[in-house]
Amino acid sequence: EIVLTQSPGTLSLSPGERATLSCRASQSVSSNYLVWYQQRVGQAPRLLLYGASSRATGVPDRFSGSGSGTEFTLTISRLEPEDFAVYYCQLYGSSPRWTFGQGTRVEVK
Amino acid sequence: QVQLQQWGAGLLKPSETLSLTCAVYGGSFNDHYWTFIRQPPGKGLEWIGEINHAGSTTYNPSLRGRLTISVDTSKEQFSLNLKFVTAADTAVYYCARVAGHYSLYYSYFMDVWGKGTTVTVS
Repeated sequence: EIVLTQSPGTLSLSPGERATLSCRASQSVSSNYLVWYQQRVGQAPRLLLYGASSRATGVPDRFSGSGSGTEFTLTISRLEPEDFAVYYCQLYGSSPRWTFGQGTRVEVK
Repeated sequence: QVQLQQWGAGLLKPSETLSLTCAVYGGSFNDHYWTFIRQPPGKGLEWIGEINHAGSTTYNPSLRGRLTISVDTSKEQFSLNLKFVTAADTAVYYCARVAGHYSLYYSYFMDVWGKGTTVTVS
């Protein structure tokens, strides 16, 4: 079973700053199957990026993704007030079919 | 635009069966897998299982044995039954659509989500 480890657990930043979130897989995975979600308080998760770097419909271009192998990164270039939320990476695999990281909280400093 | 509406009992006693149903509105039911995810209070997301219109299922091994996911194509609904619940099953339960995108390769993701149903076992 592949484990996804996200870091840091919490990121304290100010609006306008750059956020860099990490997702590390316990073994090499295909970037095709790496997904990022945003979850605001009290809401369902929202799809941000799929295939590690492709933005979902309606996602602002301040969100970008990169990585390969075991290291993946979600970058928010300039934080807007609505970006303060929890972010999860996810992997489409074999067993289990879907795995989530434990999440990174982006909070207002 | 596809929307998911979900419902089910919110309060259960230990050893009872958790039942949730998710209805799909807006079409494309036969073109996708449909899935359930849960989130314990203050914790992260856990994938439960998925099903397609033909009834093909894949379950999280950690829940296999207690879990059944079924589909009713005539109503465009899919349902979750989790037997012998304990306090550890207390969570917000979400249903979602699994979608795929092909450019040079296939990517898969959950692009439409229900609002969530809070289930408490006590």
